[in-house]
Amino acid sequence: GDSVTQKEGLVTLTEGLPVMLNCTYQTIYSNAFLFWYVHYLNESPRLLLKSSTDNKRTEHQGFHATLHKSSSSFHLQKSSAQLSDSALYYCALSGGAGNYKYVFGAGTRLKVIA
Amino acid sequence: NAGVIQTPRHKVTGKGQEATLWCEPISGHSAVFWYRQTIVQGLEFLTYFRNQAPIDDSGMPKERFSAQMPNQSHSTLKIQSTQPQDSAVYLCASSLYRVATEVFFGKGTRLTVV
Repeated sequence: GDSVTQKEGLVTLTEGLPVMLNCTYQTIYSNAFLFWYVHYLNESPRLLLKSSTDNKRTEHQGFHATLHKSSSSFHLQKSSAQLSDSALYYCALSGGAGNYKYVFGAGTRLKVIA
Repeated sequence: NAGVIQTPRHKVTGKGQEATLWCEPISGHSAVFWYRQTIVQGLEFLTYFRNQAPIDDSGMPKERFSAQMPNQSHSTLKIQSTQPQDSAVYLCASSLYRVATEVFFGKGTRLTVV
């Protein structure tokens, strides 16, 4: 079945340094959609960005990600971490037409320190 | 729009007791999802409904977990004979039934089995 792997459970960064959270996936669907959700403490997880287009950069709120189907990756990046970016980040996969189940990874906790 | 509403926010049950978790999806959303959030597994898919009909319950532990959606305005997740390993945050989410649409989460119910 579909699966999403986020190898880093915790990433700790100093404010101002670049962010990169890794996400790889496995799916049988050639038109799968990949998502990043962010979960701040005491709030609901919410969509950060999504993509299904190979090699196209997607950006939102200072974060960006590029889907690379050749390597089954969808890494989340930001040029400069802010204290307010501290949160839990989930990578997710949906197979596309006819398959509406969203499969999430284990999540990566990003901790930004001053 | 109050978003997805989950009640209660916290629930403590004794081992062997039953727990019922409630979810009110966003009005107009035809898909309702249940996930279990743990540190180890991340967001683990349990089940989902489309227009109140169960579509995929592949993530549900078969023996003690059940989910229902008696009408379009609420869904319940029932856990019988709760065990300590059931302790987790249970998240309900809803969306329009469209490819790659955003899934909106509630704030979750934290279940603690003592």
